[in-house]
Amino acid sequence: GAGVSQSPRYKVAKRGQDVALRCDPISGHVSLFWYQQALGQGPEFLTYFQNEAQLDKSGLPSDRFFAERPEGSVSTLKIQRTQQEDSAVYLCASSLAGVGANVLTFGAGSRLTVL
Amino acid sequence: DAKTTQPTSMDCAEGRAANLPCNHSTISGNEYVYWYRQIHSQGPQYIIHGLKNNETNEMASLIITEDRKSSTLILPHATLRDTAVYYCIVRVAETSGSRLTFGEGTQLTVNP
Repeated sequence: GAGVSQSPRYKVAKRGQDVALRCDPISGHVSLFWYQQALGQGPEFLTYFQNEAQLDKSGLPSDRFFAERPEGSVSTLKIQRTQQEDSAVYLCASSLAGVGANVLTFGAGSRLTVL
Repeated sequence: DAKTTQPTSMDCAEGRAANLPCNHSTISGNEYVYWYRQIHSQGPQYIIHGLKNNETNEMASLIITEDRKSSTLILPHATLRDTAVYYCIVRVAETSGSRLTFGEGTQLTVNP
């Protein structure tokens, strides 16, 4: 597609439930990023993939957060045993490698609300 | 990454130029200045970037001071749709996997 697609756009989960958020990056984009954005704050880095390799997961807040990109295209961010503090917008972005690496195209985000 | 400092908020009249400042006094020689914006309920959107020369595209102009310690993003004729949070980010250009650090940004409100 022309842009980065994320689904679902909105997710309400009960505390303790597992959730999975999907990201379809721009075709051909090598790099894929996940960011977390709390209300009123700037996006915070979670993790980065280059093709299927997860090269940086230092931003994942706990071992309840897990991301994968098995075929180097679609990515899934999974949150296990959700807590109220996980409520946020989860943004996915993709980019080319090399000199285009910092020109990220973001999706609209998945808004997670944990009750 | 070099730290950036931006005003928390700014106002601009519709049709006038919006000038958004950013200080990056610790910028390194190989670091670029990137600008993104985030309209309410949308993901951030890339605007422009530059190293030391002034840059212009269809969205905006970027003016970087000669010492590169500060820059200004200029929206020449602001419209109501330009109301957004604007982020100034400093980063090396060619590094794949750059974890862009967004900070708090400047909330620009364009008034009718």
